[in-house]
Amino acid sequence: EIVLTQSPATLSLSPGERATLSCRASQSVSSHLAWYQQKPGQAPRLLIYDSSNRAIGIPARFSGSGSGTDFTLTITSLEPEDFAVYYCQQCTNWPPNTFGQGTKVEMK
Amino acid sequence: QVQLQESGPGLVKPSQTLSLTCTVSGGSISSGSYYWNWIRQPAGKGLEWIGHIYTSGSTNYNPSLKSRVTISIGTSTNQFSLKVDSVTAADTAVYFCSRASTENYGSGRRGFGMDVWGQGTTVTVSS
Repeated sequence: EIVLTQSPATLSLSPGERATLSCRASQSVSSHLAWYQQKPGQAPRLLIYDSSNRAIGIPARFSGSGSGTDFTLTITSLEPEDFAVYYCQQCTNWPPNTFGQGTKVEMK
Repeated sequence: QVQLQESGPGLVKPSQTLSLTCTVSGGSISSGSYYWNWIRQPAGKGLEWIGHIYTSGSTNYNPSLKSRVTISIGTSTNQFSLKVDSVTAADTAVYFCSRASTENYGSGRRGFGMDVWGQGTTVTVSS
């Protein structure tokens, strides 16, 4: 079973700042990694698939990179609506279709 | 566009079976190459993948739940369903259904992330 470890657990930033979130896999997932954003009381929303491809309707300030075991989600300039919890998920080696434990981006 | 909606009892007694249905609207559950997923999230915690079913009817389950979980698909009803047997308080969570596109990869398949989600339904296990 692949384990995804996200860091940091919490990121305290101000609007306009850059956010860098990390996801590390316990074994290679090639580029088959997705990122999601979840706000309180809502379902997760797909941001990035295949490590670096933005899903439909996702703003360009969201970008993903990485391959193998190390991945990064970057939000270049935080907007007020970007404060949320972010999850990574591996999409290649199931079962299980693992999620990371999440990174909370909170307003400083 | 495709939308998903979960439905089912919000309260289940311990040791009984939890049953949920996800209704697909705006498209056919049989068309395309998709996995139809169930995911759950206990209050204040992260996402746990429960399992998925392919349009062909083949399934994969989380090993931690495999002995208690069944996912089925109804092409005539455009729905897919989840059953969890012998529930305990630890099964209390918000349950989501979702869709993920997929393709052949090596000897198996791989996914492209879950692009459509239901709004989630809260299930409480309590007597």
